[in-house]
Amino acid sequence: NAGVTQTPKFQVLKTGQSMTLQCAQDMNHNSMYWYQQDPGMGLRLIYYSASEGTTDKGEVPNGYNVSRLNKREFSLRLESAAPSQTSVYFCASSLGRRRDTQYFGPGTRLTVL
Amino acid sequence: QKEVEQDPGPLSVPEGAIVSLNCTYSNSAFQYFMWYRQYSRKGPELLMYTYSSGNKEDGRFTAQVDKSSKYISLFIRDSQPSDSATYLCAMSAMGGSYIPTFGRGTSLIVHP
Repeated sequence: NAGVTQTPKFQVLKTGQSMTLQCAQDMNHNSMYWYQQDPGMGLRLIYYSASEGTTDKGEVPNGYNVSRLNKREFSLRLESAAPSQTSVYFCASSLGRRRDTQYFGPGTRLTVL
Repeated sequence: QKEVEQDPGPLSVPEGAIVSLNCTYSNSAFQYFMWYRQYSRKGPELLMYTYSSGNKEDGRFTAQVDKSSKYISLFIRDSQPSDSATYLCAMSAMGGSYIPTFGRGTSLIVHP
């Protein structure tokens, strides 16, 4: 069991470039999430997918798009990267029920120059 | 005011000390309370989970919830250098969204 995997682990982009962060889980979870973490800011929810076929905005969705490709995979796309998007991005998954806990991936460290 | 407040620290203690980590919250609908531990350059992992009020103990860790004061705590007994990490509290409500609201995290350093 790999749990939640994310690719790439590190990425450097120039302003205006685009990229897609990949996330996959093998726990048969219904819900998946993308978080942004900056020093001293905690985890901020970007987008989430409550179940396959649905996606919803979180706290900080501007500048991002997501795709729930299937039950296992949830990708995050930056169409035109900006320096303000330099951050660590975590993907998480959960069963999607009331007394729920989230399982996190190892993160992607993104730098936008 | 954020829904969940947590002092970012850092909190520096000697090995063997009792550590107290705390969060306050404003949403009285929160019923589920979680503590996550995050080592440097890793993803958060669930440490403790409690429902409603009371205490829960797991080895050297005790989670405490005081709903009347809207205050939760995580106590670590006999702290070890391996406990050095960032501790994030998280909580969610009975109704509405099940997605937890996270605190900013407290950085803990346990020095030998």
